[in-house]
Amino acid sequence: SQQGEEDPQALSIQEGENATMNCSYKTSINNLQWYRQNSGRGLVHLILIRSNEREKHSGRLRVTLDTSKKSSSLLITASRAADTASYFCATDAERNNDMRFGAGTRLTVKP
Amino acid sequence: SQTIHQWPATLVQPVGSPLSLECTVEGTSNPNLYWYRQAAGRGLQLLFYSVGIGQISSEVPQNLSASRPQDRQFILSSKKLLLSDSGFYLCAWSVSLDQPQHFGDGTRLSIL
Repeated sequence: SQQGEEDPQALSIQEGENATMNCSYKTSINNLQWYRQNSGRGLVHLILIRSNEREKHSGRLRVTLDTSKKSSSLLITASRAADTASYFCATDAERNNDMRFGAGTRLTVKP
Repeated sequence: SQTIHQWPATLVQPVGSPLSLECTVEGTSNPNLYWYRQAAGRGLQLLFYSVGIGQISSEVPQNLSASRPQDRQFILSSKKLLLSDSGFYLCAWSVSLDQPQHFGDGTRLSIL
C-alpha cells in the first residue's frame, strides 16, 4: 500500500518558473526520498532526507521535511523543459522498514 | 560502477501463458533487490523484495512469484498470466532497505 501522497497530481509551468511539489505521509519515517521518472523509463534517485533533517539542497533542487506535519516539499528552481517528468516521494516507514512510493506529480515545463 | 540490467524491454503475452522476467545487477555484492509494478500514470506497487539469496518477501498476494537463485539475479515469474498482470514492471537494487534505490529501465508487459 502507498505511504506517501504527492500533491498536485499534475503541474504545468513555463520554463524559468519554479515548481513546487508536496508529499504527505501517514506514519513515522526514518527517511524520505524523491525520485524522478521520465516517461517509460525507470526511476532516478534525486535526494534523500533523513527524519532529523529539515532541508537539503542539490543543484536546483531543494527539499524540505516537516515531521510534525508529516510532509515534504520538492522545489525545482529555474525550471527547464528537460525537467518535464513525473516526480515521486518514497518513505521508509519505521514500522515496515521498506520503501513506499506515492502516486507522483506529473510536471510539464513548457519552453 | 554498479549497473542494473532488466529484460526484455517489452513483452506481449497471451492470457494463461507463463512469464519470466530477469534482472541482474553488476558491480556490487549482496544487494537488496526489488520488483515493482506500475499501472499507467500511477505510482509503484511493491511486489517482492529480497535481502539475500533465497530470501523473498511478498507484499501482494497474486499469481506472481519471485526467486533469487544467485546473489545478483532476481527473477519474476508466473505460471499463468491474467489480463490484470499487464503493466510496467521495474526491478531495483539498493545497498540496504533505507538507502536510495537504483532502477532498471523496466519491462512493459501487455497481456492479450
